[in-house]
This record gives sequence, C-alpha cells and structure tokens, in this order.
Amino acid sequence: AQKITQTQPGMFVQEKEAVTLDCTYDTSDPSYGLFWYKQPSSGEMIFLIYQGSYDQQNATEGRYSLNFQKARKSANLVISASQLGDSAMYFCAMRGARTSYDKVIFGPGTSLSVIP
Amino acid sequence: DSGVTQTPKHLITATGQRVTLRCSPRSGDLSVYWYQQSLDQGLQFLIQYYNGEERAKGNILERFSAQQFPDLHSELNLSSLELGDSALYFCASSVGNYLAMENNEQFFGPGTRLTVL
Repeated sequence: AQKITQTQPGMFVQEKEAVTLDCTYDTSDPSYGLFWYKQPSSGEMIFLIYQGSYDQQNATEGRYSLNFQKARKSANLVISASQLGDSAMYFCAMRGARTSYDKVIFGPGTSLSVIP
Repeated sequence: DSGVTQTPKHLITATGQRVTLRCSPRSGDLSVYWYQQSLDQGLQFLIQYYNGEERAKGNILERFSAQQFPDLHSELNLSSLELGDSALYFCASSVGNYLAMENNEQFFGPGTRLTVL
C-alpha cells in the first residue's frame, strides 16, 4: 500500500534561515510523482513543487527545492531564506502511475512557524 | 487564485440533513477530485472524475456521492449528515491525462467548510 510519512508535526525556523521538511514514502509503483503543497491559515492548498520518480535532477522552484533520494524513498522539501509568509502547514503527497491512476495520497503534514 | 471555484464557502446544517457542494474546475481541466480534510483524519481522497466518468474511489462513505456533468463541473452530495462529517471539503482539478505522469499537479479550490450541528 502507498503511504506518506512526515515525522515532524511542527517546526520552527528563524526568518532568513533555511529549513528542511522531511517526507518519506512507500510505494510499489515503478513510476510515481511526488508533490509538496502549502496550506496557510486561510485554508487554501497551494502547489509548490513536483518531482518525478525518473527525474535525474532534484526539482527547484524559486526558494523551494526538493531533496530527492530515491533509494531511501525520501523527498524532503528545502525552503531557503525563510519568510514570515512561509508559516503554514506543508503537505507531502504522492501519485502512482500503475495502481492508483490519478489518486493522490497526502502525508499528515508539518506545521512550520517562521520566527522574526 | 488557482482557477478552481467552490461554492458555498461555508455551510452550516443539522444532523440528518443533505447538502450539495459544487465545484468548477480550471478551464481545460478534465479531472476533478474531492478531498475531505478533518482534524483527526487529515486530508483524505474521496473520489475522482475524469471527463464525466468516475475514475478512482478513495475513502468515500456510502452516504456520499458525486458526479461530474457534461460542462465538467462536479457536485458532491452528502446525506444523512453526522457530526463527524464536519470538515473542510476540497475540490481539485488537473488536466487528468494519467498517461502523462509528469507534473500533473492538482490545483485546489478554496474549499467548503461544512459544520454539522
């Protein structure tokens, strides 16, 4: 069965510092995609970054980068130069290709608080 | 703004009642997904429609049903409501071509917050 684990329920980071949010996954699909979403206190889900299982390079989107280690089944999100607006819940998600078509499963989330 | 719209934004109702949540996907997106987010269950996938047909089913109760109409908007019907159904219900859309795995991210609507009293 597919599963996403986020072991950090809550994290604090100083403004302008970098922070890594952990995500490990389990799947038997040979091809899959990994996503990170941000959910601020207002409630909307905002797509941040995507990593395909066959991508040779780690994905980057502005201040967001994904540290993808396929053998370890981890897809950690790195936020550089944290800003106060980064305070939010962060969800790691996965979509498989063979067993689940477009079904996406989400991890429990990590609450990030950026301290001035 | 993701381009996905959901109505209503808030809904307060009583146990035993039936409600309908509506979602309009982004222009050009064929897939619609419904999710339930509650404090104890996290974000749970309910059901997915692709171009009018049910594509995948998750943890959706029998009291819940959904459909996608020819204009691609979707409705989630919740009946015989219980206190535990109180949650934030998200609709998301994507291009939905599952054969093209890469970067087929889902764009989420603002959600409908359902409170069952």
